[in-house]
Amino acid sequence: GAGVSQSPSNKVTEKGKDVELRCDPISGHTALYWYRQSLGQGLEFLIYFQGNSAPDKSGLPSDRFSAERTGGSVSTLTIQRTQQEDSAVYLCASSLWVRTTFNEQFFGPGTRLTVL
Amino acid sequence: GNSVTQMEGPVTLSEEAFLTINCTYTATGYPSLFWYVQYPGEGLQLLLKATKADDKGSNKGFEATYRKETTSFHLEKGSVQVSDSAVYFCALTSTNRDDKIIFGKGTRLHILP
Repeated sequence: GAGVSQSPSNKVTEKGKDVELRCDPISGHTALYWYRQSLGQGLEFLIYFQGNSAPDKSGLPSDRFSAERTGGSVSTLTIQRTQQEDSAVYLCASSLWVRTTFNEQFFGPGTRLTVL
Repeated sequence: GNSVTQMEGPVTLSEEAFLTINCTYTATGYPSLFWYVQYPGEGLQLLLKATKADDKGSNKGFEATYRKETTSFHLEKGSVQVSDSAVYFCALTSTNRDDKIIFGKGTRLHILP
C-alpha cells in the first residue's frame, strides 16, 4: 500500500522567502509528526498532531515555523522568512494511535530544504 | 529531559566483522527504546524495538537488549554485510504516551567488501 509521501522532494529557496512543505500520511493514521534532520542537530521533533486534539508545538524552533493539518489528513509545514540555518531535511511520519499499545511511526522520504 | 547518546561515527568495518554501536539514554519513567536505520537514498525505518527492561529486540540479524540498570541499548550484529552500510539512530519515545521520538545523532556505518 501507499506509504507516507512528502512534496517537494527538494526545495531551494532564497533567504527571506516563505516555503511550504507538504505531507500525505498513510490513510487512516490519526497521528502525524514532523521532524527535522540537520547536520548540527541530528534528528529533532518539531510538531505532533493527534486526531482533533490541539497540536503539540513544543519542538518548533521559532515563531517563523507553523504547521496545520486539514481534515485530519494532509499536513503543511510553513517556514516564513527562511534563514540559512533552516536548511535541513524535513521528515514527516504518521501512525495509528492506540493508547494501550505501541504505535509504530512510518516515515516519509523527506523534503531537503536548502536556503541560499 | 529525555535524551539519547550514541557513539559517533563513522564506523568502518570489514564484511563479516562483529558490530557494536553503543547507545545510552536518560529518561524519566519507562520509555520504549528503538533503533532506526536510514539506508542510502531511502527513508528512515524502524529496525528493532524493546518496550520494557530486559526485552531483546531483533531483526535482520541485529539485536539490542534494554538494560535499565546501565540505561543502555547497544546495537549488535555478529557478521555484518556490505548491505548493512547505513546510518543508525538510537531513539526513545517519551513516557507520556504521545509517542514523540527522541533520537540520538546517528552513527554512519561503512562496511568494506
